[in-house]
Amino acid sequence: GDSVTQMEGPVTLSEEAFLTINCTYTATGYPSLFWYVQYPGEGLQLLLKATKADDKGSNKGFEATYRKETTSFHLEKGSVQVSDSAVYFCALSVDQGGKLIFGQGTELSVKP
Amino acid sequence: GAVVSQHPSWVICKSGTSVKIECRSLDFQATTMFWYRQFPKQSLMLMATSNEGSKATYEQGVEKDKFLINHASLTLSTLTVTSAHPEDSSFYICSARAGLRAFFGQGTRLTVV
Repeated sequence: GDSVTQMEGPVTLSEEAFLTINCTYTATGYPSLFWYVQYPGEGLQLLLKATKADDKGSNKGFEATYRKETTSFHLEKGSVQVSDSAVYFCALSVDQGGKLIFGQGTELSVKP
Repeated sequence: GAVVSQHPSWVICKSGTSVKIECRSLDFQATTMFWYRQFPKQSLMLMATSNEGSKATYEQGVEKDKFLINHASLTLSTLTVTSAHPEDSSFYICSARAGLRAFFGQGTRLTVV
């Protein structure tokens, strides 16, 4: 079945460090891919998405490129801030974003 | 953007009692809502798809008689955990579909003692 695997956390970085959170997927067909973020005490928010191969989603300095050949959608940010501390979820959808299959989440902690 | 409100944000209940969780779309109509469950350090797992005016569609392995879903209006879906047991303790989160996007509620932390 369809599934998403992302790197385990927690990830602890210093402010201004480079961030990569790996995400790989298995899916039949051509899924859309998403990154969601959950700040402490809040619900999930869409961070970025890509709907087809080679698309790059970007938002708030975060980027991820849909790589069909490696079935990956790694999240990157060049310089993290303390305010980026949150749990990040990679997800896929085969029905345009309604029903989602999530990775296990990666907790990011950024220290000043 | 669209807002989804979920209530309560946390609840503690005694074993054997039932708990209702509400999910409301505040500024849009949602014909479809989704209920997820998340165990500590694990992924969100889809439990069911809630369709306004019709029966919910449950994922394999989810007991429909235990997790009652009602979607009586375009802005409200409820999940009732019936005869709750400690193993039902979890984080429950709903989402509502608006166009091609899903918007999430804040989640409900259920603890059954």
